[in-house]
Amino acid sequence: KAGVTQTPRYLIKTRGQQVTLSCSPISGHRSVSWYQQTPGQGLQFLFEYFSETQRNKGNFPGRFSGRQFSNSRSEMNVSTLELGDSALYLCASSLRTAAYEQYFGPGTRLTVT
Amino acid sequence: AQTVTQSQPEMSVQEAETVTLSCTYDTSENNYYLFWYKQPPSRQMILVIRQEAYKQQNATENRFSVNFQKAAKSFSLKISDSQLGDTAMYFCAFMKHGDSNYQLIWGAGTKLIIKP
Repeated sequence: KAGVTQTPRYLIKTRGQQVTLSCSPISGHRSVSWYQQTPGQGLQFLFEYFSETQRNKGNFPGRFSGRQFSNSRSEMNVSTLELGDSALYLCASSLRTAAYEQYFGPGTRLTVT
Repeated sequence: AQTVTQSQPEMSVQEAETVTLSCTYDTSENNYYLFWYKQPPSRQMILVIRQEAYKQQNATENRFSVNFQKAAKSFSLKISDSQLGDTAMYFCAFMKHGDSNYQLIWGAGTKLIIKP
């Protein structure tokens, strides 16, 4: 079974631009969570989508948004990029069963210049 | 709010030695889950081991085991017979039980280096 895939793997953007990252979960997984990883703040939860609905949201500004499609693929969008948005963005998929286990993709490395 | 603390930023041991990584957490919840994740250099995050708070028995996965002390809110990871491939960042994570709480709260991580 294929793992979680994220595209693109690397991205360089300029301040003020917007960016869209994509995540394809493991087949059969309907929950997709997004995390931001930076050296300063560590790993922080962005949001979770399940059955095309946002179920949980972390403490990030409204510039960060996401959506999920009927095939469970998810996208996250960051508008008006700031230097501080430079990070590794991780996507995790799950069956959302009582096991509560999440499976991570390789991440998208976003650099904002 | 829940917090997770990993007090060891970096550790190094010789191959084949046993190493213990520390993790403490703060919560007022009674039902929750604790995880150890491993992030090798330039590779993706993988789950090492998982513990349900309602289970008193400590979880074990091959060379990896935990010491879960619920009253002390401590959740340490022991790696026995360490191997070069164990070199990685190790993150302790917490998740509350419940449909509306499906998010991992992370510690800052411990960088583990296994020396040959």
